[in-house]
Amino acid sequence: GENVEQHPSTLSVQEGDSAVIKCTYSDSASNYFPWYKQELGKRPQLIIDIRSNVGEKKDQRIAVTLNKTAKHFSLHITETQPEDSAVYFCAALSGGSYIPTFGRGTSLIVHP
Amino acid sequence: DSGVTQTPKHLITATGQRVTLRCSPRSGDLSVYWYQQSLDQGLQFLIHYYNGEERAKGNILERFSAQQFPDLHSELNLSSLELGDSALYFCASSVGLAGGYYNEQFFGPGTRLTVL
Repeated sequence: GENVEQHPSTLSVQEGDSAVIKCTYSDSASNYFPWYKQELGKRPQLIIDIRSNVGEKKDQRIAVTLNKTAKHFSLHITETQPEDSAVYFCAALSGGSYIPTFGRGTSLIVHP
Repeated sequence: DSGVTQTPKHLITATGQRVTLRCSPRSGDLSVYWYQQSLDQGLQFLIHYYNGEERAKGNILERFSAQQFPDLHSELNLSSLELGDSALYFCASSVGLAGGYYNEQFFGPGTRLTVL
């Protein structure tokens, strides 16, 4: 089955800096990669996703890149703000699956 | 608000007991998924139901069971509880069975289970 590795487990940055979270996956058939943000004590919420026919996708201060050859994808957050502090999960799904395999999460801390 | 509701919000019980967690999906969603999130752990998929039928099982213990009723709400039953079962339990719902992009999962607020 699919295996998703996520790094780092904790990321501490100063407000205004950029943050990058990286994930690798094992199943070359995976073709959909969502990212979820989970604020403390709250539910995971989808913040951005990318399909395998796209190399990069942006939405305001967040972007996701995908390298299918290397089987890794990354979340980039620019101009970080304290409200970006949360746990971020990456996930991967193959075309025939509707069950995402999640990474273990990255705790992002943005210091004012 | 995702439209997915879960009750209760918190549950405190003792080892050996049995509890039932309830989930109501978004209106129109036929799929319900259950996840366990322990401290410092990611989201562990437990089980998936679609329109009343079990469709996929993940790392679900034999002490745990679930069902989805005709009105599409779902219940997760946890029995012979152990200290290690303390966790956040999320349910999520989606429209159907289409893969990936066409099947975004919307998470409920979770039930925090504490086993003493």
